[in-house]
Parts: sequence; C-alpha cells; structure tokens
Amino acid sequence: DTGVSQDPRHKITKRGQNVTFRCDPISEHNRLYWYRQTLGQGPEFLTYFQNEAQLEKSRLLSDRFSAERPKGSFSTLEIQRTEQGDSAMYLCASSSPSFLWTYTFGSGTRLTVV
Amino acid sequence: AQTVTQSQPEMSVQEAETVTLSCTYDTSESDYYLFWYKQPPSRQMILVIRQEAYKQQNATENRFSVNFQKAAKSFSLKISDSQLGDAAMYFCAWRPTGGSEKLVFGKGMKLTVNP
Repeated sequence: DTGVSQDPRHKITKRGQNVTFRCDPISEHNRLYWYRQTLGQGPEFLTYFQNEAQLEKSRLLSDRFSAERPKGSFSTLEIQRTEQGDSAMYLCASSSPSFLWTYTFGSGTRLTVV
Repeated sequence: AQTVTQSQPEMSVQEAETVTLSCTYDTSESDYYLFWYKQPPSRQMILVIRQEAYKQQNATENRFSVNFQKAAKSFSLKISDSQLGDAAMYFCAWRPTGGSEKLVFGKGMKLTVNP
C-alpha cells in the first residue's frame, strides 16, 4: 500500500467555478477525514466518514461544500461557486481503530482561487 | 470547546542537541489521545508520536519522547540528537477516546535545525 493519495496536487480556479478533489485512503482503513489548512495554521476538521457513512461535519463546511464516499473506498470533496477565501490546502487522512488510530495523511491538494 | 495551544511559533536548535516543543490543551474529557505530527516542506503530515491519556508512562519513539502531564494538561515533545531532517512544522493534536474522532490541532511550530 502506498499510503493516502490525493489528486490533484495543485488546482488553480477562477472564482465562481466548481472544483472536485479526490482522496484514496489506505485500503485497510475504514475512516476517512477531510481537513483544511491555511497558511500559518494547523489543519481544521471539515468532515469524516466511517465506510460510506458521513458521521460528522464541521460548521466550516458551508452549503457550497459536499463530500462523498460512495463505496466506502475513495472520497471526493466538491466546492461549488468557489470564493477566494476557499484558497487553502485540503488534506485527507485515513485511520482505523484496528490500526490504533494512527491517522495517515495524504500530501494534500493546494487550491488557489483567483 | 477543546483547544490545543502551541505558544512558541518558532524554535531553532543546533544539530546533535536536544530541543523541547511545548503544547498545552484544554478539555473536560478524562480519556483522550494526544499526537505530535511533523510536516516537512514537502507537506505530508507524518505521525511522530502518540500518547493515550490513561497511560502514565510517557511514550517514546527512538529520538522522540514526550512529557505528558495530565493534571497540567501539558504534552511536550523532546527531540534528542537533533538532525537536519528534523526541520519541519510540528503540530500537536488531540482527540477524545470516545465520541468525535476529529483531531483538534494547534497552530504549529516551525523548527529550524542549524548545522
């Protein structure tokens, strides 16, 4: 297993456009988490899944944000009508109780909204 | 609300010396996990060390060890024999044992290792 993969690594988009990011977790992990990290800050929780069920969403996740994990494997995070304030690094992590909650992070997708 | 505070935004250490990174947290939970993550310039967050609050023994991973003071809600990371590859952002994080599984992170601290 090569760890948590995120695609794309970088995304530049115009304000108002929709963007979608993908995360492929470690296959044995049934939990998948999305975080957002802005410059000089620690990651902020957005949402997480246990298998295909979305169990928690942060108040940071406005109506323009939606996340899915349709088959309990990969996940997508979509941002509609992007705003400049959405510019950030979007991190994905996976974990599992059977792996002693060692959260493994991907390299992230850096979003720039121009 | 649970918070994690890393009061030192930057630190530097000479290669081969020891450095201690501080972290405090605020929670009313009695059982939880604490983590230190490293984020090198390549961006990927890497788990350095993990501590369960119910364990009195401080966690150790090779050159990395923690000083966990539950009553003081303090969780510091000691790096011994610092190496150039230790240079990175370091984040302290917390989550409860039960309930929400989200990690709550501090703002991070930039460690520079001088040759």
